[in-house]
Amino acid sequence: NAGVMQNPRHLVRRRGQEARLRCSPMKGHSHVYWYRQLPEEGLKFMVYLQKENIIDESGMPKERFSAEFPKEGPSILRIQQVVRGDSAAYFCASSRNRDRGPETQYFGPGTRLLVL
Amino acid sequence: SQKIEQNSEALNIQEGKTATLTCNYTNYSPAYLQWYRQDPGRGPVFLLLIRENEKEKRKERLKVTFDTTLKQSLFHITASQPADSATYLCALNTGGFKTIFGAGTRLFVKA
Repeated sequence: NAGVMQNPRHLVRRRGQEARLRCSPMKGHSHVYWYRQLPEEGLKFMVYLQKENIIDESGMPKERFSAEFPKEGPSILRIQQVVRGDSAAYFCASSRNRDRGPETQYFGPGTRLLVL
Repeated sequence: SQKIEQNSEALNIQEGKTATLTCNYTNYSPAYLQWYRQDPGRGPVFLLLIRENEKEKRKERLKVTFDTTLKQSLFHITASQPADSATYLCALNTGGFKTIFGAGTRLFVKA
């Protein structure tokens, strides 16, 4: 049973380019969360999605960032016109459902984005 | 303002001793609290969850306490081993969709 998959593991972009980060949740999981982590800092919540729906995007910057979780395929976190401050590790997590109270989130290995 | 605080300094202990990590929070009323382990270059791994109406939870060598009056959780690893060396993250959920993570405490267990 494969865990949460993220790719690429490392991504280098120049300022102004676009970054696309992909996340495939664990089998049977329909909830996806994206987090950003800067060195020596905690994980910062960005967005929570279910299939085809954005449920909570209160942690997403208002501009340049978007996320989707289509009916088929992985969840995508898209960063347009990247700037150096976007350099960070981006983690995706998935859970089965939230209908019965707290659900454990299973994390992927992360994508390390470096903006030159 | 809302804050989650974990010891920013690394904790160094000798193998076999009990490691105790602290998580303090302010201006939250968490429905439950979780502890995760994170190794360098990897994603966090879930360890334990404790609900607001629970005082203590155990799993093998791990023990978590949750004091909603003190607004504090303690995470204990008994009979610590070098393989326990990692960063340990505290995370709160207030019942909504968002999970709030602390910055983590690094633990080093010396053989």
